[in-house]
Amino acid sequence: EDKVVQSPLSLVVHEGDTVTLNCSYEVTNFQSLLWYKQEKKAPTFLFMLTSSGIEKKSGRLSSILDKKELFSILNITATQTGDSAVYLCAFNAGGTSYGKLTFGQGTILTVHP
Amino acid sequence: NAGVTQTPKFQVLKTGQSMTLQCAQDMNHNSMYWYRQDPGMGLRLIYYSASEGTTDKGEVPNGYNVSRLNKREFSLRLESAAPSQTSVYFCASAWTGASGNTIYFGEGSWLTVV
Repeated sequence: EDKVVQSPLSLVVHEGDTVTLNCSYEVTNFQSLLWYKQEKKAPTFLFMLTSSGIEKKSGRLSSILDKKELFSILNITATQTGDSAVYLCAFNAGGTSYGKLTFGQGTILTVHP
Repeated sequence: NAGVTQTPKFQVLKTGQSMTLQCAQDMNHNSMYWYRQDPGMGLRLIYYSASEGTTDKGEVPNGYNVSRLNKREFSLRLESAAPSQTSVYFCASAWTGASGNTIYFGEGSWLTVV
């Protein structure tokens, strides 16, 4: 059965710290991996990764995928209180599960002033 | 551009009652999804529809039915609500292409079954 596991489940840091969130997956037909940020309501899109070793970057956030070792990391540098949220990773399946998008359980990040 | 619109936003049901959550998207997406989110469980896929006319079960389909009414609309029905179905429900849509998709979510529906 396809699955996505995120770690840690929760993380508490202070402003200015750098954090690394992990996402490992076991999937039959991998197409892409996505990262989302969820604050109070619906998740919002951060990154989509399809190729190994190519870093995606947006401001203080960056992410990379390792398709050989089946994991991805999301880095946040110089954290701010506004980064406090649940971070979700998900994978797109192909083949007979074309279109299916499966999420991990999320990492709760709390950034203190 | 409304994006993904789901109704109702809040609902309280008694055990055994039925209800339908409605979802519509105006982005001409081919794929639509229903997820539920419970504390510590992330987003769990209930059903998805990769294209108009098709629906498939996700991780937690028991107790639910879906209808892909047309390309825009994807409804979720609870035939006989149970307290275990108390959750936040998210509808979502995406254009699914060769390299995968980027999914867009509705604002969520908070459902309480008493």
